[in-house]
Amino acid sequence: AQSVTQLGSHVSVSEGALVLLRCNYSSSVPPYLFWYVQYPNQGLQLLLKYTSAATLVKGINGFEAEFKKSETSFHLTKPSAHMSDAAEYFCAVSERGTSYGKLTFGQGTILTVHP
Amino acid sequence: GAVVSQHPSRVICKSGTSVKIECRSLDFQATTMFWYRQFPKQSLMLMATSNEGSKATYEQGVEKDKFLINHASLTLSTLTVTSAHPEDSSFYICSASFNEKLFFGSGTQLSVL
Repeated sequence: AQSVTQLGSHVSVSEGALVLLRCNYSSSVPPYLFWYVQYPNQGLQLLLKYTSAATLVKGINGFEAEFKKSETSFHLTKPSAHMSDAAEYFCAVSERGTSYGKLTFGQGTILTVHP
Repeated sequence: GAVVSQHPSRVICKSGTSVKIECRSLDFQATTMFWYRQFPKQSLMLMATSNEGSKATYEQGVEKDKFLINHASLTLSTLTVTSAHPEDSSFYICSASFNEKLFFGSGTQLSVL
């Protein structure tokens, strides 16, 4: 069975600092990988996804993530944090060949951005 | 972008009563919708896949008689928690697939007293 681990339930950075949110997965075959963001009182929004093309994936709002098969990781980064980035972030995987909506989620990381 | 509306956002009910949660795709037709549940400090867990016009497919360990799913139209899926108990208190989220993307509702916080 697949599993997703997000290291750090809370991450705090200063405005302008690098954002790094960690995600590791366990799967016998490289899965599809996703990062979602959830702002208060809103649904999850897709930030970016990795399917099978370039290992460095660029998403919305300046975020990007790199798929590293050797490390079974898909960490999310942003060079310079904005106050508006404060939200909860979820890493998710889906098994290749399964329905697009059958996702396994990590526990989420709450990002706080300080002025 | 596509919008998924979920209602209610919060519901409190007494133990033994039933609660219905609605999930609507507002500007697209969704043949498939998904229901997730999230307990405090835990991941979202897929409960079931809802297919328009057919029976839902439940994940292992999810009681289909307790969590009734109806997907009678291309824009509406409902989840009914029957005879709710305090252990059913959780955050329920629906999502709908469209153009190979998933769009999520804002969730329903269910508290059973």
